[in-house]
Amino acid sequence: EIVLTQSPGTLSLSPGESATLSCRTSQSVSSSYLAWYQQKPGQAPRLLIYGPSNRATGIPDRFSGSGSGTDFTLTISRVEPDDFAVYYCQHFGGSPPHTFGQGTKLEI
Amino acid sequence: QVQLVQSGAEVEKPGASVKVSCKTSGYTFINFGINWVRQAPGQGLEWMGWISTYNGNTNYAQNFQGRVTLTADTPTGAAYMELRSLRSDDTAIYYCARAISAAGPGLPFDYWGQGTLVTVSS
Repeated sequence: EIVLTQSPGTLSLSPGESATLSCRTSQSVSSSYLAWYQQKPGQAPRLLIYGPSNRATGIPDRFSGSGSGTDFTLTISRVEPDDFAVYYCQHFGGSPPHTFGQGTKLEI
Repeated sequence: QVQLVQSGAEVEKPGASVKVSCKTSGYTFINFGINWVRQAPGQGLEWMGWISTYNGNTNYAQNFQGRVTLTADTPTGAAYMELRSLRSDDTAIYYCARAISAAGPGLPFDYWGQGTLVTVSS
């Protein structure tokens, strides 16, 4: 099973700054099988990005994904107050079909 | 619009079973698989399993094999998750989540239910 390790655990930023969230996989995976979700308190997760460059419906282009091999990054440019949340990376399409990282909390 | 609406909170005793429903609307049910994901209090996301709403095929996470059953009712557009032999560490929010297509179990989730809190306590 591929293990996903996210860092940092907590990222403290101010609105307007850029956020860089990391997801490292225990084995090399294709970027086509990596996704990112955002979860706000009391809400279900929301799909942000899947595959190398697919943004989910309604996700602004301030959110972008990159990476290859075992190192992947979610970048949020010009962080807005509504972006403060927990972010999860997900590997899909393997065995088991889904594994998640432990999350990164983006806080003000 | 696409909606997944789950049943309400449940409180169960250890050893009991729970069945959570996920009623969908706003899209063609058989064109998208349904996954179940749980989240223990203050913890991360754990995938439990997937069901094909097209033919009923299932794929379960190893941690839940033998203890969980996923079903889907095509006429009503509803999916169900039954978890048996409940333990205190099954206390969690359980989510249904739609896969981006019906192509198989390993696809990301584009719409989620609101979650159902299941509390296991004696």
